[in-house]
Amino acid sequence: SQTIHQWPATLVQPVGSPLSLECTVEGTSNPNLYWYRQAAGRGLQLLFYSVGIGQISSEVPQNLSASRPQDRQFILSSKKLLLSDSGFYLCAWSEGVSSRETQYFGPGTRLLVL
Amino acid sequence: ILNVEQSPQSLHVQEGDSTNFTCSFPSSNFYALHWYRWETAKSPEALFVMTLNGDEKKKGRISATLNTKEGYSYLYIKGSQPEDSATYLCALVGSQGNLIFGKGTKLSVKP
Repeated sequence: SQTIHQWPATLVQPVGSPLSLECTVEGTSNPNLYWYRQAAGRGLQLLFYSVGIGQISSEVPQNLSASRPQDRQFILSSKKLLLSDSGFYLCAWSEGVSSRETQYFGPGTRLLVL
Repeated sequence: ILNVEQSPQSLHVQEGDSTNFTCSFPSSNFYALHWYRWETAKSPEALFVMTLNGDEKKKGRISATLNTKEGYSYLYIKGSQPEDSATYLCALVGSQGNLIFGKGTKLSVKP
């Protein structure tokens, strides 16, 4: 069966510090991968998605970047965190790009930037 | 920018009550609508994928309907139980296959 892992679970970082959040998927090949963020009082917002190694699409301009160095690894990064980067970050995967494909979510990382 | 609205924002019911909430979305260029349940300290869990106007899906005591012409979907819970307490999210599929989420309806079921 497929599983998705995220770490760390929680993170407190000072403004201006770098960030690296990791997501890995097991039990499937060539998944589509997604990074979402839920900021306070807002819905889940898609940040990045990837349909293959090295292929990253960004949905919103921001302070963050994503990379996919391996088939089942998706990394969210920032060189310098802003206060507005605080939120709950979820990684998800799906098998295809059909509108009917369910996305399966990881446990999430809660990031607090102080 | 597509906007997905969910109402109410929160709901408190007694165990055994039946309840429903709404997801509204633009009716043009509809691809699909997803419903998720997100319990505290857990990952969002997929409930339904709705694709056709008039679709009705059911999973146990939870069911959902879809009206793509008027741009809404209802989620129903029959005989609510405390374990149904969660935030229920709907998400519209955008033209790029991305999911556009509403802010969710937070359901609390008191025993």
